[in-house]
Amino acid sequence: DTGVSQNPRHKITKRGQNVTFRCDPISEHNRLYWYRQTLGQGPEFLTYFQNEAQLEKSRLLSDRFSAERPKGSFSTLEIQRTEQGDSAMYLCASSPPRSSYNSPLHFGNGTRLTVT
Amino acid sequence: AQSVTQLDSHVSVSEGTPVLLRCNYSSSYSPSLFWYVQHPNKGLQLLLKYTSAATLVKGINGFEAEFKKSETSFHLTKPSAHMSDAAEYFCVVTTNTGNQFYFGTGTSLTVIP
Repeated sequence: DTGVSQNPRHKITKRGQNVTFRCDPISEHNRLYWYRQTLGQGPEFLTYFQNEAQLEKSRLLSDRFSAERPKGSFSTLEIQRTEQGDSAMYLCASSPPRSSYNSPLHFGNGTRLTVT
Repeated sequence: AQSVTQLDSHVSVSEGTPVLLRCNYSSSYSPSLFWYVQHPNKGLQLLLKYTSAATLVKGINGFEAEFKKSETSFHLTKPSAHMSDAAEYFCVVTTNTGNQFYFGTGTSLTVIP
């Protein structure tokens, strides 16, 4: 178990540029989540995958945001035409198949995005 | 709808004294509840989770939480604070499907030497 891996750890970009983040979940985990966390706040849900299917998307996820999980393995989160308000920590988490009612989330260390 | 309220945004304790971080939940069914800890510039680490088998849940690093349905609470405690406990703590509730996780706003714990 190598844990959830996120790349890059830090990303600085200019307003208007596109950015893409990658998340590699724990290998046997079929559920994958993206959250956004701003300073002093708890993580806010963005989107959720079960295998390759994107089952839920938050209203926070504007049309500039898109997430994919091809083949149900790694996932990417792309932000187009970045704005300064997109500056945040983007967290990825994975969870095993829901064999029990309370399978927890396992988080990566996050990607910190700064939009200048 | 499910939600959690963390009653204190900041808690400060002296090293070696007890820790109490408070969390109330709102749920229309029997919820799943978790506590996570986040150290600076790190991801979130699971401290403990509530199963319906036991109302007193033991977690890592000496932390415990007690599920009280009558009070809709899931407070986190530790008998003796250590400097390494200084971090942000999040209370989390899931939906009845177990697919969606809702986070509280967090409690920042400061441990004074």
